[in-house]
Amino acid sequence: EAGVVQSPRYKIIEKKQPVAFWCNPISGHNTLYWYRQNLGQGPELLIRYENEEAVDDSQLPKDRFSAERLKGVDSTLKIQPAELGDSAVYLCASSLYGTGVTYEQYFGPGTRLTVT
Amino acid sequence: QQQVKQSPQSLIVQKGGISIINCAYENTAFDYFPWYQQFPGKGPALLIAIRPDVSEKKEGRFTISFNKSAKQFSLHIMDSQPGDSATYFCAASGAAGNKLTFGGGTRVLVKP
Repeated sequence: EAGVVQSPRYKIIEKKQPVAFWCNPISGHNTLYWYRQNLGQGPELLIRYENEEAVDDSQLPKDRFSAERLKGVDSTLKIQPAELGDSAVYLCASSLYGTGVTYEQYFGPGTRLTVT
Repeated sequence: QQQVKQSPQSLIVQKGGISIINCAYENTAFDYFPWYQQFPGKGPALLIAIRPDVSEKKEGRFTISFNKSAKQFSLHIMDSQPGDSATYFCAASGAAGNKLTFGGGTRVLVKP
């Protein structure tokens, strides 16, 4: 079974430029997460989707970040414009959420963003 | 507010030794406590998890000890191997397990 797929794996952009990250979750997983992991720190949740609905976006900097999960499968996270402080690894994770199931989150390899 | 505090930040252990990582949490609503292992350039991978209805869970060389009254839990890696060299993160969430709060991570180096 394929894991969580993310692309690109690496991205280098200049500040003020836009950037987008793509995530394909594990087949059948109805919940999708975007995390940001700064160097030497643990991941921090940016947004969580249950199917197509963003149920928790309280940590998403909405002035420059946006996300979508059309059709409840793939998701895209966008930053516009990027700032130097956005340099980090952006992780996507997915899980199956429902009554009577375990809720392990499976992470993709991440996209390492460098803003110069 | 850092709701999950992890220590130490790094540790070095000899092959065959025991690695111990500790975490403390503040939110009494947390009731799912996973540990993740992360290698450089990879995403975190679930290692082992515990719920507060048990005080200990063992899977192979990895054991979680849980102290609900102290709001602390720890990971023990027995017979540490060089392949265990990685960064380990504790995390915690509410009952649904769908909003993980991570600790700061511990970089473990196992010397041969």
